[in-house]
Amino acid sequence: SQKIEQNSEALNIQEGKTATLTCNYTNYSPAYLQWYRQDPGRGPVFLLLIRENEKEKRKERLKVTFDTTLKQSLFHITASQPADSATYLCALDPPGRRALTFGSGTRLQVQP
Amino acid sequence: EPEVTQTPSHQVTQMGQEVILRCVPISNHLYFYWYRQILGQKVEFLVSFYNNEISEKSEIFDDQFSVERPDGSNFTLKIRSTKLEDSAMYFCASRFDGRENTEAFFGQGTRLTVV
Repeated sequence: SQKIEQNSEALNIQEGKTATLTCNYTNYSPAYLQWYRQDPGRGPVFLLLIRENEKEKRKERLKVTFDTTLKQSLFHITASQPADSATYLCALDPPGRRALTFGSGTRLQVQP
Repeated sequence: EPEVTQTPSHQVTQMGQEVILRCVPISNHLYFYWYRQILGQKVEFLVSFYNNEISEKSEIFDDQFSVERPDGSNFTLKIRSTKLEDSAMYFCASRFDGRENTEAFFGQGTRLTVV
């Protein structure tokens, strides 16, 4: 079955720096890969979606890359702010299915 | 902005009791989902629902669970005889308004505590 690993449980960075989060998966490549933000006690909130034929996607301070050869996605937050502190979830959209499979998340803490 | 709403936000129940968790998905979405998240663990898929029937379910979704869309707006998850290990956050989600793969919209969740 599909396995998804997010690089670390927690990541601490200073305000203004770029946060880079990693998502690795095994087995088949998904048609789409998505990133969500989850705050404590709340539901996941969609951030970005990238398709298997796209190398990079940007939205304001967020950037996602997708390398199907390495089976990896990188999620970057530039000019990070304390308000970016949250857990970030990688989710796969496998081909032929309609249900997302989530990684365990990386908890980002941005220090002022 | 359209949103997925869930009720109740918290539910405490005794072991062995039945619970029904309710959701109102976004009105023009076609797929509806239930996920759960045990405290400190990952968001896990339970079941997806399309065209008034289950389209996919995980190993977690055993005979104790059922889903229903009793009318045009509500989508419910029933747990027949709750166990202590059913304690978790349950999230409802919806997606697909007919276009290609899009993001999932999640509700704020129901925190279920089985005592």
